[in-house]
Order: sequence, then structure tokens, then C-alpha cells
Amino acid sequence: GIQVEQSPPDLILQEGANSTLRCNFSDSVNNLQWFHQNPWGQLINLFYIPSGTKQNGRLSATTVATERYSLLYISSSQTTDSGVYFCAVIRNNNDMRFGAGTRLTVKP
Amino acid sequence: KAGVTQTPRYLIKTRGQQVTLSCSPISGHRSVSWYQQTPGQGLQFLFEYFSETQRNKGNFPGRFSGRQFSNSRSEMNVSTLELGDSALYLCASSFSGVWNEQFFGPGTRLTVL
Repeated sequence: GIQVEQSPPDLILQEGANSTLRCNFSDSVNNLQWFHQNPWGQLINLFYIPSGTKQNGRLSATTVATERYSLLYISSSQTTDSGVYFCAVIRNNNDMRFGAGTRLTVKP
Repeated sequence: KAGVTQTPRYLIKTRGQQVTLSCSPISGHRSVSWYQQTPGQGLQFLFEYFSETQRNKGNFPGRFSGRQFSNSRSEMNVSTLELGDSALYLCASSFSGVWNEQFFGPGTRLTVL
């Protein structure tokens, strides 16, 4: 099945810093989503982005489908951005495969 | 528009028992998927239901089963619980399938003693 790799696994930032999270996948995909898992476990939708670039406030994402990667940018990070960020992909309408996540800690 | 709801939020069972978890999707969504999250295995797909039919299934034993009702609400059942079944169980709904944008519920945290 398709492999999904996220990097870095852990990231510690000072408040106000910018960061880039990466998601590589091993085959072409029909769907890619980025999620933020809050401390209570709920997955919060960030972006539905099988290709192209989207922006939402301080967050933006770019997926280059032909090169099999996606990037999530967080600018001017805040302590509330802390948590685990997951990317998830789907190929051929099968099950959704998740990466192992990037654990982000933003220090005040 | 109300989000995805899951009940119960927390559950404690003992080995050998069975458990049923419930998921109500966003109104108008017909696809419901279930996922298991553990520290060791991460997030793994269990199965997807659409219009009361199981359409996709992940690599889990037959002890894990589910169903979907005509109002799109879904239940997941785990029989003969094992310690390793302790996990956060998440359900997600989407309009027509896993390839659409999925929206997750808050999860049910199951502890097996």
C-alpha cells in the first residue's frame, strides 16, 4: 500500500517563529488532507488539498502531486498551534492512510 | 450545521467483553469511516460504510465489525475485547466517500482492563 512519511517527527519553536512541515507519499493520490489533533484527540481539518496551494490565515499548504509531496506552512506561530499535525492520503478511492505525524511544541 | 458526534466519549471494559460505539455523521453525509488510533500503530483505517453497505475494509480481524443505518448513523462493534484494543476510535463523515473531504468526530476512548 501507499507509504506516507512526515518530517520532522518533532519540532520545537519559539512563539512568533515560522515553520514548514513536510509530507511525502509513495504513489499518486486522489486526496490529501492536513489535520491538527488537539489535546483531546479530535482531528481538526486544516486543508483539503490534493493539488495546488491554499491559505487560511497564518496557515498555508502546497501539494505538488507530480512530485508526491505536500508542505504545511505555519507563520508567526502561537502556543495554541501546539499539537500533532497529520497528513493523510487516499489512492484509488481506498482507505485513508495517515502519516505518523509531526509533534509541534510552541514555547512562549 | 452540527458536526460529527460520537458516543460514548469514554468507555472502560474488561477482556472478553464486547463493545458498541456510535457515530452520527454531518447531516447530508452518507459516508462514514472508522479509524483506530494507538501510540504504537498510529491512525489506522477500519472500514467505511456508504448507504448501509460496507465499501472498504482495513486490515483488522473479524472481531471488528460495523453497520450503518438508513439515516447514515453508524455503529462499530468489537467482540471478545483484548488489551490491545485499547485505543481512541475516531469516526469521520464525508459527502460521498473517503476521497472527499472528511470531517472527524471527537472520538471514543476505549480502555480494556
